[in-house]
Amino acid sequence: GDSVTQMEGPVTLSEEAFLTINCTYTATGYPSLFWYVQYPGEGLQLLLKATKADDKGSNKGFEATYRKETTSFHLEKGSVQVSDSAVYFCALSEGSGGSYIPTFGRGTSLIVHP
Amino acid sequence: NAGVTQTPKFRILKIGQSMTLQCTQDMNHNYMYWYRQDPGMGLKLIYYSVGAGITDKGEVPNGYNVSRSTTEDFPLRLELAAPSQTSVYFCASRTDRKLGYTFGSGTRLTVV
Repeated sequence: GDSVTQMEGPVTLSEEAFLTINCTYTATGYPSLFWYVQYPGEGLQLLLKATKADDKGSNKGFEATYRKETTSFHLEKGSVQVSDSAVYFCALSEGSGGSYIPTFGRGTSLIVHP
Repeated sequence: NAGVTQTPKFRILKIGQSMTLQCTQDMNHNYMYWYRQDPGMGLKLIYYSVGAGITDKGEVPNGYNVSRSTTEDFPLRLELAAPSQTSVYFCASRTDRKLGYTFGSGTRLTVV
């Protein structure tokens, strides 16, 4: 079945450091890929998405590129801020097979120190 | 546009009690989902629905029930609450699979 693997956290960085959170996937069909962010005490919010190979999703300085050849969708940001501290979830939609159930990674906690 | 609204935000239940977690969306989304998130863990799918009158089990349905009588509402019922059901519950909805979910803000449930 479909699966999403994220790097283990927590990821601890200093403010203005470069961020990479790795995400790889296995899937049948042609899924769309997503990154969600969960701030403490809140629900998940869609951060960015990509719907086909080589698409780049971007939002709030974060970027991720849909790499079909490496089955990856790594999240990057050039300069993190303390306010970026949160848990980040990589996810893929079901493929064209109609299962209706997306797949989420386990989440990666990011802690940014001043 | 309120999005996905969950009530209550917090609740403490005694073992054996029952309750209904409410979820309402105003975006005319066909697909709705209930997840639970245990501390420091990811999401586990409890139930989902692809439209009014249609529901199906997810990964961890035991101890829960759902109904979907309208497009807008997708309540989750807990019967005979157990400490293992202490968790944060999230409702989510979506339309096209390429557009991602909209999540509610969650219900934090403690069973004592």
